Amino acid sequence: QQQVKQSPQSLIVQKGGISIINCAYENTAFDYFPWYQQFPGKGPALLIAIRPDVSEKKEGRFTISFNKSAKQFSLHIMDSQPGDSATYFCAAGMKTSYDKVIFGPGTSLSVIP
Amino acid sequence: NAGVTQTPKFRVLKTGQSMTLLCAQDMNHEYMYWYRQDPGMGLRLIHYSVGEGTTAKGEVPDGYNVSRLKKQNFLLGLESAAPSQTSVYFCASSLRSTQYFGPGTRLTVT
Repeated sequence: QQQVKQSPQSLIVQKGGISIINCAYENTAFDYFPWYQQFPGKGPALLIAIRPDVSEKKEGRFTISFNKSAKQFSLHIMDSQPGDSATYFCAAGMKTSYDKVIFGPGTSLSVIP
Repeated sequence: NAGVTQTPKFRVLKTGQSMTLLCAQDMNHEYMYWYRQDPGMGLRLIHYSVGEGTTAKGEVPDGYNVSRLKKQNFLLGLESAAPSQTSVYFCASSLRSTQYFGPGTRLTVT
């Protein structure tokens, strides 16, 4: 019930292409869905987050799509750039319980020229 | 404003040795967390704290102890290191939902 599944494990995309990472959760009590970006040798940093009352959130080239009935959400990176090469973690949490954040296993994205 | 800092950055231990990892934050956050990151496993919560003087167990607490004597510091201890504790350890802090991570400590236990 607490698990967050994430796919694919790794992804190679050509520069200018669209990168898509998918996540699924089981616990319907989750009401906060952030994505974190981690560069090699660094700690994860918040990229973008969404709440279940909206189906999509866009920030620049990054878009989260959310399907509440399917308990799935995904990250789309448009016009992918080599600088986007990093590991991406989806997560699910509860706004009222800041300790209850569960991370997915991560996706290693490589954007090649 | 340094954010979240971790000491040390790297450490090699022999099986059975003990050590303490230090996490410090200057953002006046109430919540602090210790995670371990292993390939293909994502970030797994070891222990966390909801305020000065409080600690609680996370998903993988066995073999670790923590203390939060001061609001800005969160210490992670390994009393008797085991090879299974070879990992990268991240500390994080949060005021609300967003967690801010430190740069990590790479620990190898031989």
